[in-house]
Amino acid sequence: EVQLVESGGGLVQPGGSLRLSCVVSGITFKNYAMFWVRQAPGKGLEDVSFISSTGSSTYYADSVKGRFTISRDNSKNTLYLQMGDLRTEDMAVYYCARDPGYYDSSGNFYPYAFDLWGQGTMVTVSS
Amino acid sequence: IVLTQSPGTLSLSPGERATLSCWASQSVSSNYLAWYQQKPGQAPRLLIYGASSRATGIPDRFSGGGSGTDFTLTISRLEPEDFAVYYCQHYGSSPRTFGQGTRVDIK
Repeated sequence: EVQLVESGGGLVQPGGSLRLSCVVSGITFKNYAMFWVRQAPGKGLEDVSFISSTGSSTYYADSVKGRFTISRDNSKNTLYLQMGDLRTEDMAVYYCARDPGYYDSSGNFYPYAFDLWGQGTMVTVSS
Repeated sequence: IVLTQSPGTLSLSPGERATLSCWASQSVSSNYLAWYQQKPGQAPRLLIYGASSRATGIPDRFSGGGSGTDFTLTISRLEPEDFAVYYCQHYGSSPRTFGQGTRVDIK
């Protein structure tokens, strides 16, 4: 059974830090690009960050650039999001998601969309 | 790319046809446009990718269409489990923005 299980959410004060984890099982984790997507309470979905299968390429939304760091440990089948200088607007459910797209021989990535999602972990930023 | 979904809310009865729209502020490359369904307290579920291809396990009452900047999701006959929020998303470039969502609720 394929599972993506996030953890690490919780209550943190403004300016604080938190590290989210996403443990993936049932697939060959090292083969896939992974993403973090968040959803503020009662709001829509926001693409937060991306990391390539090897970790050599990353992307951040402007709203988190310089404050969040995405990483992965392919030996532990785990995706991470280190969040710093947290703000009230970062309060959301954070989901990890997989894109099963592939890389060609030239290194170009052909995306597929987010076909697997975790159940989410809630981050609350409040004093 | 900014995605705008319409309508914001669609009130329909089971058995009726639902047509949801998604407009992009610029052309979506290679029709890298997806649709997701989200129910309260759950993660989104992929329905459609490549604008018109159904994801694994998605019933054929769901269909996607369109190209360029105009896309649609059609649910041919609403089942009780289809009442949810639907999001479109482009995924050809970063950021992979989502539309604001269309809520389909029971009339």
